Amino acid sequence: DAKTTQPTSMDCAEGRAANLPCNHSTISGNEYVYWYRQIHSQGPQYIIHGLKNNETNEMASLIITEDRKSSTLILPHATLRDTAVYYCIVRVANSGNTPLVFGKGTRLSVIA
Amino acid sequence: GAGVSQSPSNKVTEKGKDVELRCDPISGHTALYWYRQSLGQGLEFLIYFQGNSAPDKSGLPSDRFSAERTGGSVSTLTIQRTQQEDSAVYLCASSKQGSGTEAFFGQGTRLTVV
Repeated sequence: DAKTTQPTSMDCAEGRAANLPCNHSTISGNEYVYWYRQIHSQGPQYIIHGLKNNETNEMASLIITEDRKSSTLILPHATLRDTAVYYCIVRVANSGNTPLVFGKGTRLSVIA
Repeated sequence: GAGVSQSPSNKVTEKGKDVELRCDPISGHTALYWYRQSLGQGLEFLIYFQGNSAPDKSGLPSDRFSAERTGGSVSTLTIQRTQQEDSAVYLCASSKQGSGTEAFFGQGTRLTVV
């Protein structure tokens, strides 16, 4: 079962920052927060992940609250090509590779 | 290629026939995952491999579904006696060994059972 809660859908104006929230109130100390997105008719694409600290890469920023019970994915300047379903996933950090469990995600629509 | 490759990209088969779906992971990736996505639905986990062994087969929907991986590389998902409800996009992903690593997905095989 997915251990995260996300809004079903969101709209964002092109050029504006898109802020996608995720609740993971039951997260354990050894679980990472991952974000993936799936553009229509494509396979999911990795965006970013983090454990405790905020993270930034060329695609997005990940802000994790101090209690780790929620996080926000930020796309700083959304474009039409960012329209996709965004998945927030928690996953145990261990020596193996446990599968990613996808929930329903947030459908982000970037509007011109 | 540099990414995860799946073949065929599309497959139409008649009900009752067997199908084989192939996944070529990224070179050096020890973990391999199969998912399925029905039209308009989320991703459903099927099975994953660590090397050639499958520690978790819990997601396979029925005994008509099986998968194998040889040489720690290519994997084949086989569906026997296909049914219409098997119609979906079958996605494969691979990742390196270790914690906190991301999985890379292929573009999927769209299976249509008629």
